[in-house]
Amino acid sequence: SQQGEEDPQALSIQEGENATMNCSYKTSINNLQWYRQNSGRGLVHLILIRSNEREKHSGRLRVTLDTSKKSSSLLITASRAADTASYFCATVRHTGTASKLTFGTGTRLQVTL
Amino acid sequence: GAGVSQSPSNKVTEKGKDVELRCDPISGHTALYWYRQRLGQGLEFLIYFQGNSAPDKSGLPSDRFSAERTGESVSTLTIQRTQQEDSAVYLCASSPEFLRVGQPQHFGDGTRLSIL
Repeated sequence: SQQGEEDPQALSIQEGENATMNCSYKTSINNLQWYRQNSGRGLVHLILIRSNEREKHSGRLRVTLDTSKKSSSLLITASRAADTASYFCATVRHTGTASKLTFGTGTRLQVTL
Repeated sequence: GAGVSQSPSNKVTEKGKDVELRCDPISGHTALYWYRQRLGQGLEFLIYFQGNSAPDKSGLPSDRFSAERTGESVSTLTIQRTQQEDSAVYLCASSPEFLRVGQPQHFGDGTRLSIL
């Protein structure tokens, strides 16, 4: 079953605006990752935030993590048309000797000129 | 190209036929994963291989689905007696080592399977 739920499901903005996507999850996690998927392609890893971190930056990306609320957000600043893609959060949970990466349902971002 | 390679990129077959999907992970990556992605949906975990350990098959939806991996190289996902509900994109990913150390996954572009 999908642990992560992204919100909104779809987002349409103009180039130059900021895009914020949210992810909620249900169980405790060890880290949370964000991925991007262009149409017809595989997923590309964007950023990883560990459970003991609250915020992380990478270029125009900013990720926050609130483990008390079991939620994360991905902010893309100064968006570009090339940012148009689906964005997925994925939680990693270690259980015994196994680890599971569980993906959310994704946010489809459309950036228009 | 040092990325994850999947073949075929597209597969159209008739209901009831068997299909075999192939994944070549990044060289040196010990962990390999298969996911299913239905149209407009997120990723559904199917199976996970880690080195010589027993695979985690907990995500396989039925006994029609099976997967094998030879050592730390190629993996094949086999779907027997395909059904229309099997239509989806099947994605393969690999990572350098066990997820415990928080390694990201590297994905192939998937195989788009269509069952007529």
